[in-house]
Amino acid sequence: QKEVEQNSGPLSVPEGAIASLNCTYSDRGSQSFFWYRQYSGKSPELIMFIYSNGDKEDGRFTAQLNKASQYVSLLIRDSQPSDSATYLCAVNSNQFYFGTGTSLTVIP
Amino acid sequence: GAVVSQHPSRVICKSGTSVKIECRSLDFQATTMFWYRQFPKQSLMLMATSNEGSKATYEQGVEKDKFLINHASLTLSTLTVTSAHPEDSSFYICSAPTSGPTDTQYFGPGTRLTVL
Repeated sequence: QKEVEQNSGPLSVPEGAIASLNCTYSDRGSQSFFWYRQYSGKSPELIMFIYSNGDKEDGRFTAQLNKASQYVSLLIRDSQPSDSATYLCAVNSNQFYFGTGTSLTVIP
Repeated sequence: GAVVSQHPSRVICKSGTSVKIECRSLDFQATTMFWYRQFPKQSLMLMATSNEGSKATYEQGVEKDKFLINHASLTLSTLTVTSAHPEDSSFYICSAPTSGPTDTQYFGPGTRLTVL
């Protein structure tokens, strides 16, 4: 079983819709959780981190963490074509583990 | 957020030559840095963990004699691809974690290596 699992997609949403990206992890002792965005040909950039159960909002982005279910998600409200990228989930459980990423396409 | 730089951003070299890539943490110290490789349309693959003051730790299947890592200081790690071949052409990315409760990793901008 992989440490961090994501649906590879591709996920397509129309412009203005909510994009929902999901991630599960295997280590219950994991302490912090991260979402990165990677545009084609570029390196990953940090969008958000979360380490407490519940929601954390930053602009159009909301990270949601449910430690009981070992599940973390990223919601993107009012999706824009510029949000089209691969989104990587990462989990820190004494070592960083990255998911394989979910490809998101926002259709104008 | 913290800043990690990489140099060069792009390099083209002939087969058989060696290429050195530098990774610097600009505004924080990093006792550990990570080196990744990414082929087109594929996931990040962790190659090795660079440790300041000690030997790097390589992932399974990564040749340590081919990919030499030196963590010279708390802000600099270098990756040298020795005797590069066309199959080594890839996007090489370093990252460094900040210290503190979140231990956030920040990525450098990456180095695109093309071996002719």
